[in-house]
Order: sequence, then C-alpha cells, then structure tokens
Amino acid sequence: LAKTTQPISMDSYEGQEVNITCSHNNIATNDYITWYQQFPSQGPRFIIQGYKTKVTNEVASLFIPADRKSSTLSLPRVSLSDTAVYYCLVGDNNAGNMLTFGGGTRLMVKP
Amino acid sequence: DTEVTQTPKHLVMGMTNKKSLKCEQHMGHRAMYWYKQKAKKPPELMFVYSYEKLSINESVPSRFSPECPNSSLLNLHLHALQPEDSALYLCASSQDNGRGARNNEQFFGPGTRLTVL
Repeated sequence: LAKTTQPISMDSYEGQEVNITCSHNNIATNDYITWYQQFPSQGPRFIIQGYKTKVTNEVASLFIPADRKSSTLSLPRVSLSDTAVYYCLVGDNNAGNMLTFGGGTRLMVKP
Repeated sequence: DTEVTQTPKHLVMGMTNKKSLKCEQHMGHRAMYWYKQKAKKPPELMFVYSYEKLSINESVPSRFSPECPNSSLLNLHLHALQPEDSALYLCASSQDNGRGARNNEQFFGPGTRLTVL
C-alpha cells in the first residue's frame, strides 16, 4: 500500500502561487510530513517539514488539516528556477521509516 | 560546512570491474545513507548506517557492498554489476537516525552517475 499519493505533474506560470497536495490516508500518530525538491542530476534538497496545522519558512508553506490525511505544499510566486520534482515523504524517523520517497510531482513553470 | 560530497561524479565500468563510490560529510552527522535513483523515478533506499554501524539493508544484492570507515566517510564497493544497475547513486546524511524526538532532515550529495556496460 503506497504511503503517499501526489499528482504526477503540474504546470504553472511565473509569479503564480503553486499548491501541491499529497495524500497520506494511512499516516500514523508519530509520522511527520517532509517535502524535498530535486533538480535534474542533483540530489534532493529539503524544503519543509511539519506535523500539524501550518508551517512556514523562507521558501514555502506547508498546510496540514486536522485529520492529517493530506498536506499541501505552497510555493508563493514561483519562478522558472522552481521547475523541479517535488517529493512528499511521510514517516517517523524514530522508527526509521522516513526514508521512502513517493512518486513525486514534476512542476513545470512557464514564462 | 553543510555539504555532502561524492566522488566520482561519473563512472563507467564493465561487468567484471571492481570500483568504489565515495561519500564524505563534515557536519558531524551520525547517520549516512545510500540511495539508487533510476531516470524519472524517486530515489530508492539501499543502506543506512547509524553511528558507523549498518542499521538498514533494503535487500540489496551482494554485488553492492557498503562500508563506513568513520563517521565522516561512506563507501559503496561495486563488483560484478549488471547493466540494469546503471543509475544515479545518491549519498545522504542526517544528524542521527531516530535517536531522539526530531525527525531529521537529510542532506544529499550531488550523486555519482554510474553506467555499467
């Protein structure tokens, strides 16, 4: 049973806000939600992590509803350089299972 | 220094060769990881070292042999590989692996692009 489900791809235009939703119906009590960004031929890069409600940092926001069965990564005012694959991971590092990447969402930002 | 370095960047080897991939970090991280990534697929976990001991081996064939000489270094020894082993091999590190309440961010290296002929 897949841990997470994300859209395969999304298109956007420069300056728009992009929201990528990840479904994780079987999330466990101790699981955290983490998002990574990956450019071609590079290693993934940590974007943001959260447990519940809303988390914001300098590059993104993460919205998590009360039931925690989904989460939404929000990228404000995207630019061409945000074209990348975005991965949602769900797991509990204490249990060693924060290590399975889902399918990822390929975001294409157009001029 | 917040970087994970990997060498070589590219490697081409025959099926009878023996080669090694190297990974290094100087962030004081005590957990290190090897992932394999095929084109247009997500990274797949291969091995995890925690405090220099192998803690996870995701049923990887024995032609891949990991080694952690010290807390800053991680090697992946390759022998008798198959063409289907061609992929991007990623190394990552994190502060620790479950020894605490935090869910630790992984820092990834740029990877080694391996081609097996």
